[in-house]
Amino acid sequence: DSGVTQTPKHLITATGQRVTLRCSPRSGDLSVYWYQQSLDQGLQFLIQYYNGEERAKGNILERFSAQQFPDLHSELNLSSLELGDSALYFCASSPAGEYEQFFGPGTRLTVL
Amino acid sequence: GQNIDQPTEMTATEGAIVQINCTYQTSGFNGLFWYQQHAGEAPTFLSYNVLDGLEEKGRFSSFLSRSKGYSYLLLKELQMKDSASYLCAVRPYSGAGSYQLTFGKGTKLSVIP
Repeated sequence: DSGVTQTPKHLITATGQRVTLRCSPRSGDLSVYWYQQSLDQGLQFLIQYYNGEERAKGNILERFSAQQFPDLHSELNLSSLELGDSALYFCASSPAGEYEQFFGPGTRLTVL
Repeated sequence: GQNIDQPTEMTATEGAIVQINCTYQTSGFNGLFWYQQHAGEAPTFLSYNVLDGLEEKGRFSSFLSRSKGYSYLLLKELQMKDSASYLCAVRPYSGAGSYQLTFGKGTKLSVIP
């Protein structure tokens, strides 16, 4: 158990819908990262927040957005969902940048 | 941009030693990580190299050559539970406070009796 929690564990929804994935980092960790893992693409970085501020953006679609709240938990919002958005979404956290990232158990999103 | 290559699959025998290679091309370099991931589970941290050389941690060792853009993960005394995907990840330097990882597609290791 890494100490990073993610909810929900599984999510099944339809195309065109909107969902919110939630992540609570390890106690004391200020940085939160979101990654998407699909079978053909591997683990892809989406976005990083540090103490409430966006620090880096990767291959994140415009239909996706995220934020980090004052209590440091983070949410990833996915809208206008497409079949290709079906994937495992991982959240990771680290104390600051210069450390390894600890991954949560992931949310498996299935878009039908 | 970043490009990371590692073999797709490898098979090794229980008790043996296996070396998983990773080559990378990146604009800026601020460390290389190895993670282990069992199917359907979260990646777990194995090792971190930022300077050239070998880092040893129990049955696992990781090597880095920055001039060659090359790393390997060495697993000794293989156990059946080592069957997993091994992900090589590079942390490019991309500005203060920015620490995302770029992952390779992973090497699926199967350990056979």
